[in-house]
Amino acid sequence: SQTIHQWPATLVQPVGSPLSLECTVEGTSNPNLYWYRQAAGRGLQLLFYSIGIDQISSEVPQNLSASRPQDRQFILSSKKLLLSDSGFYLCAWSSSLNTEAFFGQGTRLTVV
Amino acid sequence: DAKTTQPPSMDCAEGRAANLPCNHSTISGNEYVYWYRQIHSQGPQYIIHGLKNNETNEMASLIITEDRKSSTLILPHATLRDTAVYYCIVRVRSPLDNAGNMLTFGGGTRLMVKP
Repeated sequence: SQTIHQWPATLVQPVGSPLSLECTVEGTSNPNLYWYRQAAGRGLQLLFYSIGIDQISSEVPQNLSASRPQDRQFILSSKKLLLSDSGFYLCAWSSSLNTEAFFGQGTRLTVV
Repeated sequence: DAKTTQPPSMDCAEGRAANLPCNHSTISGNEYVYWYRQIHSQGPQYIIHGLKNNETNEMASLIITEDRKSSTLILPHATLRDTAVYYCIVRVRSPLDNAGNMLTFGGGTRLMVKP
């Protein structure tokens, strides 16, 4: 069966520090991968999606970037965090044939 | 993707059916209706999806109107653990569509199941 792992679960980082959140999927190949952000009390905002290795599409301009160095690995990064980067970050995957998306448990990032 | 409209919040008594409505009046013929839910501080969970026929699984039933402009998610016997935000999404589903199966979430409906 397929599983998605996302870490860390919580993170507190100072303003101006770098960020690296990692997401890996097991049990499937060539998944579509997504990064979402959810601000407190709000819906999910799609940040990036990827249909393959090194193929990243950005949905909104921001202080973040994404990379996919391996088929089942998706990384969310920032060189310098801003206070506004605080939020709940979710990684998700879907197969190329079935479009139900499956989410990780999320990372709660607090920038202080 | 077509936009959806959902009530921001609903209450339901434990053990009763919870009926969550969703309007998607601009839905296209090849767009499916998907439902997800998100329990506090967890990742969203897929519930069910359908095109035009009513669908049922172990979690819920999905009723889609004949004109497909609206749908209702039914939790037949709501429990306290069903308290969550429920998202209705409409999007294309195609086995040839590999150009980014994006999921766009709106505000959802916050369902509160009360004892």
